[in-house]
Amino acid sequence: AQTVTQSQPEMSVQEAETVTLSCTYDTSESDYYLFWYKQPPSRQMILVIRQEAYKQQNATENRFSVNFQKAAKSFSLKISDSQLGDAAMYFCAYMRSGSGTYKYIFGTGTRLKVLA
Amino acid sequence: GAVVSQHPSRVICKSGTSVKIECRSLDFQATTMFWYRQFPKKSLMLMATSNEGSKATYEQGVEKDKFLINHASLTLSTLTVTSAHPEDSSFYICSALGLASNEQFFGPGTRLTVL
Repeated sequence: AQTVTQSQPEMSVQEAETVTLSCTYDTSESDYYLFWYKQPPSRQMILVIRQEAYKQQNATENRFSVNFQKAAKSFSLKISDSQLGDAAMYFCAYMRSGSGTYKYIFGTGTRLKVLA
Repeated sequence: GAVVSQHPSRVICKSGTSVKIECRSLDFQATTMFWYRQFPKKSLMLMATSNEGSKATYEQGVEKDKFLINHASLTLSTLTVTSAHPEDSSFYICSALGLASNEQFFGPGTRLTVL
């Protein structure tokens, strides 16, 4: 069975600095998707970034980028120039491609605090 | 982008009553929707997968007679918490599978409080 592990329950970063959130996963599949979601106090799940496993190039979205290491089954999120609005829970998620079930497997989350 | 709504956003009910939560995909048709439950400061726990026109698939440990799911159209799934008790108090989130079947779009959630 697939699993997703976020080993950092909480992280802090100074405003304007860079922070990296870690995520590892376990799967025997070769084709899948990985996601980072942000959940602010409103509790609306917001997609931050996604990565298709077949793509070697790391995904980037403005200040957000990932370091996808397929062999190591690692998918870390880097937030550059951190802003106060980045403070939230961040969840890493895995979805098997073409599975017919399309279920997400979530990590336990990392709470990010941004210090002014 | 794909928008998913939930109604109501908050509901307070008495113990023993039933509560219905609606999940709608507003600008796309969703053959598959998902229902999650989230406890404070915890991750999302998948309760069931809702497929249009067929019975929902429940995760292990989720009582299907307690949490009734109906997916009667391509834009609407409902979760009914039957005979609610205080331990059912939680934050319930739905999501809809996008047309490309490679991403879920989440609703804003419903906070249920059972007195």
